[in-house]
Parts: sequence; C-alpha cells; structure tokens
Amino acid sequence: EPEVTQTPSHQVTQMGQEVILRCVPISNHLYFYWYRQILGQKVEFLVSFYNNEISEKSEIFDDQFSVERPDGSNFTLKIRSTKLEDSAMYFCASAKLQGDNQPQHFGDGTRLSIL
Amino acid sequence: EDQVTQSPEALRLQEGESSSLNCSYTVSGLRGLFWYRQDPGKGPEFLFTLYSAGEEKEKERLKATLTKKESFLHITAPKPEDSATYLCAVQARGGSYIPTFGRGTSLIVHP
Repeated sequence: EPEVTQTPSHQVTQMGQEVILRCVPISNHLYFYWYRQILGQKVEFLVSFYNNEISEKSEIFDDQFSVERPDGSNFTLKIRSTKLEDSAMYFCASAKLQGDNQPQHFGDGTRLSIL
Repeated sequence: EDQVTQSPEALRLQEGESSSLNCSYTVSGLRGLFWYRQDPGKGPEFLFTLYSAGEEKEKERLKATLTKKESFLHITAPKPEDSATYLCAVQARGGSYIPTFGRGTSLIVHP
C-alpha cells in the first residue's frame, strides 16, 4: 500500500540553525500538509499546500517557517532559525482530495530536537 | 471555538475484555469525523471516516459509531496488538477543511 515517507527520522540541531524536513507524499495525491506534535500534546496543524502554493496556515506557521515542492515528488518544511520550543514530532500528510470526509494519510514523522 | 474531547485519557484492558473509547465534539456543523491509530514514535494511521449520525464502520475488532454529539470506537475482544493511542479528528463546517484533533486515548491491552 502506498505510503507517505519522511526523512530524516530524527534531526538534532543547535538553536538558531536552519533545518529542512523532507517528505515524499503518496504519488497520486494533490494536497499536502505539515503538522506537529509536541510530546504529550495533540496533533496541531501547521500548513496546507495545493497547486504549488500555500492554501491555509495556522498561527504557529510564522515567518520562520516555509514550505516548498521543489520537484514532482518532494515536499519540504524549512525552519529558518530554530528555537527550543520547535522541538516536536513533525508529520507530513497527503490527501487525494480535500473536502467533506476526505482523510489525510500521515508519514511516520521527523523527531526534531533543538539543543 | 471547535472542541474535540476524548475520554478516557488512558485505558488498560485484559485481552478479550471489550470496551469503548469516546470522542465528543462541539462544532457548528460536522463535515467528517476521523479515527486514527498512532503507535509510539509513528504517525497517525487512518482507520475510519464517519459523516452522518447513525453511521457505523467496522474493521476487524474495531467498530466506530457516530451520533450528533459524539463518536464511539468499540473494541471487541481486544488483543495486545491493539495497544496504541487512538486519535479522533473532527472536520467542521465553515471555510476550512482542516480537522481538529483530540488528545487521544492511550490503550494498553494486557495478555
């Protein structure tokens, strides 16, 4: 069964450094998402992406964050100047359609640790 | 503000001991309710979508039901491999299709 893949599985970075988290969505999906989950907390939406542009973003997704689809298969999340509070699991998700009842399919995440 | 509350936070069962997990929601109108399973260190794995009150979906030992205010995930004769966190996510009517997640119920099934 096709799946969303994310790399790396674990990223350790010094505070203030830039990180890029990578995702390969399911190949025939058109809608892409990033979420984060701080340890012990709920899954929180960051941003959605469709047709090569951001379609929606949350308050968390401020100017230090950016997303890109550099080619036909990859989808990336960049955090420009990391802070301690950016430590979390970051999940990429994709969906074939976006609408009522349409589920998103998640990757296994990147654990980001900021030192 | 849309709210999704899951209970209990944690549940321990003996193998074969059936039980139910609850997801209650307060939204202006429901577009869809999703159940996911999340294993430690992994991403949420999609289980079910429910849309209208009275709807039921089944998969192996799991059955999800929906009313106008809540959803139940019934687990019949659970096995240790059913141990996981079960997440509920609600998609509300309005401008956004983005679902709001609950905190989840952590289920442990003892052999």
